[in-house]
Amino acid sequence: GNSVTQMEGPVTLSEEAFLTINCTYTATGYPSLFWYVQYPGEGLQLLLKATKADDKGSNKGFEATYRKETTSFHLEKGSVQVSDSAVYFCALSGGGSYIPTFGRGTSLIVHP
Amino acid sequence: EAQVTQNPRYLITVTGKKLTVTCSQNMNHEYMSWYRQDPGLGLRQIYYSMNVEVTDKGDVPEGYKVSRKEKRNFPLILESPSPNQTSLYFCASSLSGRNQPQHFGDGTRLSIL
Repeated sequence: GNSVTQMEGPVTLSEEAFLTINCTYTATGYPSLFWYVQYPGEGLQLLLKATKADDKGSNKGFEATYRKETTSFHLEKGSVQVSDSAVYFCALSGGGSYIPTFGRGTSLIVHP
Repeated sequence: EAQVTQNPRYLITVTGKKLTVTCSQNMNHEYMSWYRQDPGLGLRQIYYSMNVEVTDKGDVPEGYKVSRKEKRNFPLILESPSPNQTSLYFCASSLSGRNQPQHFGDGTRLSIL
């Protein structure tokens, strides 16, 4: 079946530091890939998505590129802010299954 | 405004007392699902529904029931809640289950004493 593996947290950074959160996946076929963000006390919100190989999703300064050769979808941001502190989930949908698959989430803490 | 609405947001109850968490979406989505979120375990899917009157088990369905009589509503039923069902629950919907992003409700925090 499908699976998503993302790096464990928490990831702790100072403001303006560079962020990478690793995500790799296993799936048959050609799934769509997503990053969701969960702020404290809220539900998950879609951050960005990519639907085919080499697509780059981007939003709010975050980027991720769909790498089929390495089955990866790493999340990056050049300069994080305190307001980016949240839990980030990598997910996939499709690729032979109707059931979306989520990673376990990575907590990001950004200090001023 | 497009949204998924869950009620209640918080509930403290006792073992064995039946409860229902409601979920409603206003986006005419076909696919709806329920998740529970527990520390260290991430999101686990409980049940999902591809359309009206079509439901299926997710990864952790034991102790839960669902129904999908109308497209917009997908209630989660705990007929005899137990303390191990204490968790944060999310309802989500998408246009279809495949290759589509999901829209999440704000969550329901259940405490079963």
